Amino acid sequence: SAVISQKPSRDICQRGTSLTIQCQVDSQVTMMFWYRQQPGQSLTLIATANQGSEATYESGFVIDKFPISRPNLTFSTLTVSNMSPEDSSIYLCSVVQVQETQYFGPGTRLLVL
Amino acid sequence: DQQVKQNSPSLSVQEGRISILNCDYTNSMFDYFLWYKKYPAEGPTFLISISSIKDKNEDGRFTVFLNKSAKHLSLHIVPSQPGDSAVYFCAASVRRDFGNEKLTFGTGTRLTIIP
Repeated sequence: SAVISQKPSRDICQRGTSLTIQCQVDSQVTMMFWYRQQPGQSLTLIATANQGSEATYESGFVIDKFPISRPNLTFSTLTVSNMSPEDSSIYLCSVVQVQETQYFGPGTRLLVL
Repeated sequence: DQQVKQNSPSLSVQEGRISILNCDYTNSMFDYFLWYKKYPAEGPTFLISISSIKDKNEDGRFTVFLNKSAKHLSLHIVPSQPGDSAVYFCAASVRRDFGNEKLTFGTGTRLTIIP
């Protein structure tokens, strides 16, 4: 399976600021996703990161709040903009090869004060 | 609308016994199902999957059963070991829709193995 790393692993941020989370994979993958796990909740898909084009967002998530980039087949970033305490979550990237299993990164734990 | 449900938020099982985790889904379009295990402060780890063309898949101590008519799947772990203590998520996707690999997750079941 692909080895996935995320930076930072955790952060504490002030409300109103923005944080960019990086996801790096050790091999080329066809698809990359960004998920959120709020405290005590399940994993919720934020968006599909499309290489070289705009991300595809799920209902309830918008580009202004969660801009995503994917410049190549091994790297993606998620920015959490204008943060509020409600954005405190674990943010996870995942990757998949065509018709293969989806694997997850270690996650980024974000606390917004 | 919760399309994938795990109705038991927690489960305790004696070491060496069988653990059975259940999952129900409502979307009949789902054709691929997965189980993930998650430890605190880590990302979900893939355990086992099953395609809708099968009703059973086995991998070592882990077996997943799928009942399409009931829209129900279960994960059996036997024998249960202390290291199995974690939160287990079931997830579903529509693989026949090529390129649409996004997963819909259940709410999770916290499994505790009692030594």
